[in-house]
Amino acid sequence: AQTVTQSQPEMSVQEAETVTLSCTYDTSESDYYLFWYKQPPSRQMILVIRQEAYKQQNATENRFSVNFQKAAKSFSLKISDSQLGDAAMYFCAYRNLGAGGTSYGKLTFGQGTILTVHP
Amino acid sequence: DTGVSQDPRHKITKRGQNVTFRCDPISEHNRLYWYRQTLGQGPEFLTYFQNEAQLEKSRLLSDRFSAERPKGSFSTLEIQRTEQGDSAMYLCAVSSRARENTEAFFGQGTRLTVV
Repeated sequence: AQTVTQSQPEMSVQEAETVTLSCTYDTSESDYYLFWYKQPPSRQMILVIRQEAYKQQNATENRFSVNFQKAAKSFSLKISDSQLGDAAMYFCAYRNLGAGGTSYGKLTFGQGTILTVHP
Repeated sequence: DTGVSQDPRHKITKRGQNVTFRCDPISEHNRLYWYRQTLGQGPEFLTYFQNEAQLEKSRLLSDRFSAERPKGSFSTLEIQRTEQGDSAMYLCAVSSRARENTEAFFGQGTRLTVV
């Protein structure tokens, strides 16, 4: 079974600064997807960024980028130029990439990191 | 708005009562998932539907839990004889076959409190 670990329960950053959230995972699969989701208080969980394991290039979405280290099974999220609206719970998630099968599409989440942005 | 509506948003019930939650995807998504999220934790998978077929159930889904997806559109999750340990946020997520390798869209969840 796959596991996802986020070792930082809480992180804080000053507005306009950069912060990195850590995530490690364990799997015996070679093909899979990794995600970072953002969950603002009392609001829906939304996708921040995704990474396909077969791609060596790190994914980037505007101010958000990842550092994907497949051999180390590490997947960190870097938020640049932090904004007040970035304050939320952030979840790292794993998804198998199987050829059909019942686990296809199911997400395994980490415990989450609460990000506080100070003005 | 992610296009997934969940009802009710909040539910307080007495221990031993039955409760039912509903998930309504606005547009067509053939894959539907239920997750449970306890306070301060990440969501945990409960069950998965592909169209109307329930293809996987987690061991977290005891025999007091039942889920349906008639006609492959909306879904319901029922908990019978609720226990205090059932208190949690119940999240519904959908994805489409065309985007099955990418994102899942989540509803706002139903927060259940069992007193």
